[in-house]
Amino acid sequence: AQTVTQSQPEMSVQEAETVTLSCTYDTSESDYYLFWYKQPPSRQMILVIRQEAYKQQNATENRFSVNFQKAAKSFSLKISDSQLGDAAMYFCAYGVYGGATNKLIFGTGTLLAVQP
Amino acid sequence: GAVVSQHPSWVICKSGTSVKIECRSLDFQATTMFWYRQFPKQSLMLMATSNEGSKATYEQGVEKDKFLINHASLTLSTLTVTSAHPEDSSFYICSAEPGLAGFNTGELFFGEGSRLTVL
Repeated sequence: AQTVTQSQPEMSVQEAETVTLSCTYDTSESDYYLFWYKQPPSRQMILVIRQEAYKQQNATENRFSVNFQKAAKSFSLKISDSQLGDAAMYFCAYGVYGGATNKLIFGTGTLLAVQP
Repeated sequence: GAVVSQHPSWVICKSGTSVKIECRSLDFQATTMFWYRQFPKQSLMLMATSNEGSKATYEQGVEKDKFLINHASLTLSTLTVTSAHPEDSSFYICSAEPGLAGFNTGELFFGEGSRLTVL
């Protein structure tokens, strides 16, 4: 069974600094997606960044980038120039493609605090 | 981006009654929608995959008769919590992927969530 592990329940970063959130996963699939979602206090899930497993290049979205290590099954999120609005719960998620196994599995989350 | 709307955003009901939560994709069609449950300060747990025109696929441990899912059209899925009890109180979130071929693009959009409180 696929599992997603986030080993950091809480993290804190100073405004304008950089922080890295860790995520590891376990799967026997070769074709899948990985995601980072942000859940602010409003509880609305917001997609931060997405990575296709077949792509070797790490995904980047403005201040957000990932370090995808397929062999190590690691998918960390780096937030540069942290802003107060980045404070939220961050979930790493794994999605498998195709057939009856379509599903998105979430890690336990990392609560990020941004200090002014 | 695509919009997914849930209704109601919050509901309070008496124990033993049934509650229906709607999930609508407002500007796209989706053959597949997903229902999640989230307890306070915990992760999202997938409950079931809702398939348009067929029966939902439930995750292990989720009671099919308790949580009825109907995917009536390409833009609407409903979750009915039958004979609700206080332990069913939770935050329920739906998500949907644009497209008519299932989970094939990785773009998944979430509703705002529905908070259920059973007295």
